[in-house]
Amino acid sequence: GENVEQHPSTLSVQEGDSAVIKCTYSDSASNYFPWYKQELGKRPQLIIDIRSNVGEKKDQRIAVTLNKTAKHFSLHITETQPEDSAVYFCAAWGYGQNFVFGPGTRLSVLP
Amino acid sequence: DVKVTQSSRYLVKRTGEKVFLECVQDMDHENMFWYRQDPGLGLRLIYFSYDVKMKEKGDIPEGYSVSREKKERFSLILESASTNQTSMYLCASSLGGGKNIQYFGAGTRLSVL
Repeated sequence: GENVEQHPSTLSVQEGDSAVIKCTYSDSASNYFPWYKQELGKRPQLIIDIRSNVGEKKDQRIAVTLNKTAKHFSLHITETQPEDSAVYFCAAWGYGQNFVFGPGTRLSVLP
Repeated sequence: DVKVTQSSRYLVKRTGEKVFLECVQDMDHENMFWYRQDPGLGLRLIYFSYDVKMKEKGDIPEGYSVSREKKERFSLILESASTNQTSMYLCASSLGGGKNIQYFGAGTRLSVL
């Protein structure tokens, strides 16, 4: 079955710097890759997603890139702000499969 | 706005008790899911359902069962709670038909003593 790895497990950046979180997946049939943000004590919420027919997607300060050949995808956050501090989860999904989530990255944005 | 509501935020139960966790969604979603969230392990799928009265095992179904008698409601049942089932439980729903964005409930933190 699908296996999703996520690195790093924790990440601290200075406010205004960029943050990058990387995920790898194992099943080449996976074709949908969402990213969820979970603030402390709150529910996970979708922040951006990408499908396998696209290599990059941007939404203001966040972007996701996908390399299908290497089976990895990354979340990029630019100009980080304190409210970006949260746990971020990547996931992979393919038709006939379940979502498989990565173990999460705890991002801390230091003022 | 999709609303996924879990009946309890916090629960404390004793070993051996039967525990019901309830989840209701108000957007007529086809698919519903139960996950367990533990530090360093991410979200692990316990059970899911793609239709009323339909259920499928996820990755860690042992010790759990589910019920989906109505489209909007998906219940997770711990037949005999054990201490290793102390965790955060998250319910999610998605529209189905290829629209697979998952919307999560706020979670139930279950402690089994």
